[in-house]
Amino acid sequence: AQSVTQLDSQVPVFEEAPVELRCNYSSSVSVYLFWYVQYPNQGLQLLLKYLSGSTLVKGINGFEAEFNKSQTSFHLRKPSVHISDTAEYFCAVSDRDTGNQFYFGTGTSLTVIP
Amino acid sequence: SQTIHQWPATLVQPVGSPLSLECTVEGTSNPNLYWYRQAAGRGLQLLFYSVGIGQISSEVPQNLSASRPQDRQFILSSKKLLLSDSGFYLCARGRGSGNTIYFGEGSWLTVV
Repeated sequence: AQSVTQLDSQVPVFEEAPVELRCNYSSSVSVYLFWYVQYPNQGLQLLLKYLSGSTLVKGINGFEAEFNKSQTSFHLRKPSVHISDTAEYFCAVSDRDTGNQFYFGTGTSLTVIP
Repeated sequence: SQTIHQWPATLVQPVGSPLSLECTVEGTSNPNLYWYRQAAGRGLQLLFYSVGIGQISSEVPQNLSASRPQDRQFILSSKKLLLSDSGFYLCARGRGSGNTIYFGEGSWLTVV
């Protein structure tokens, strides 16, 4: 099975500062990569995904992520965060060939400080 | 639009009681369906997934089971709940481009 590591469980950052949420995966096969956001007491929403092509992927709410195959990483970034970005963020991976199983990291809690 | 309904939204059950959480999907046929559990501070754990009616794959052996009696219905069950079964249960469907999966709003289960 795949595994996904989110190195930071909590990330506090001041409003309008940049942020990077880290994600690494372990896989010897080709994968699809995803970032999801979860607001309190809600389900998960898709932020962005990497399927193929350009390694820099842009998503909703000004977020972007860069796929680095050699480092097996898919870090999420935003140049200037807003209070409304406070949420839990999950990185996920699925196998390209089967695509039936999705594996998530343990999540990173982003808190934007006014 | 493709919608995922989960119910009940909130459930409080005593230890040893049975469980049935239901998930139905609208707007798509033959979706992949998933059950995840989110325990406090533990991220998302894949419990079961299904690629078709009657086809269930279990990721984690435990006292939970899943069934898919209809194409768009996925049920999570237990005969006897444990305290450790408490958590936030999320149903999801797949089959979008790049196998993206989409989530329902979740069901909170508290076992007391």
